[in-house]
Amino acid sequence: RKEVEQDPGPFNVPEGATVAFNCTYSNSASQSFFWYRQDCRKEPKLLMSVYSSGNEDGRFTAQLNRASQYISLLIRDSKLSDSATYLCVALSSSNYKLTFGKGTLLTVNP
Amino acid sequence: GAVVSQHPSWVICKSGTSVKIECRSLDFQATTMFWYRQFPKQSLMLMATSNEGSKATYEQGVEKDKFLINHASLTLSTLTVTSAHPEDSSFYICSARGGVTSGSGEQFFGPGTRLTVL
Repeated sequence: RKEVEQDPGPFNVPEGATVAFNCTYSNSASQSFFWYRQDCRKEPKLLMSVYSSGNEDGRFTAQLNRASQYISLLIRDSKLSDSATYLCVALSSSNYKLTFGKGTLLTVNP
Repeated sequence: GAVVSQHPSWVICKSGTSVKIECRSLDFQATTMFWYRQFPKQSLMLMATSNEGSKATYEQGVEKDKFLINHASLTLSTLTVTSAHPEDSSFYICSARGGVTSGSGEQFFGPGTRLTVL
């Protein structure tokens, strides 16, 4: 089983739609979790951290459920510029290694 | 956020040659740098972790004699792909992590180097 698993998509949604991404992780030693965004042929960029208490940043909401080892990202009122691959990432508490999911491709259509 | 640069941004080389990729942290001292590889439509895969002044730690399946890593200073790490072959063609990305004062271990990514081996 992969350490971090994501629905690969692709997700094709119209502008203004709400879209949710899910992610599960298998390593209970993982300390922290993040969502990164990666545009085509670019490096990943940190979108937001994920906390058990939930984390909201504008149109983006991330949630962590440690009991079920589940992470989510919700994007409201999708914009064309949200089109990208969204990567679920776990940070190891022992060696600070990041483990990336395969990513979920989102395309927001006009 | 902190800035990490990589050079070159892309390189095309002949099979059998060696290619060196540089990763620099421009505005902070990186105690640890990580090297990743990403094949098309795949996730980033960690290749190795390098700590300044010590030998790199390679992930399982990554040949240390083929992918030479040097982290000679707190702002520079290099990855040399020796005797490159077409299957080494990939997107190589480095990231840098500062010390405790740099926060909760956030890694800052370089822009990546696209290697094509003919």
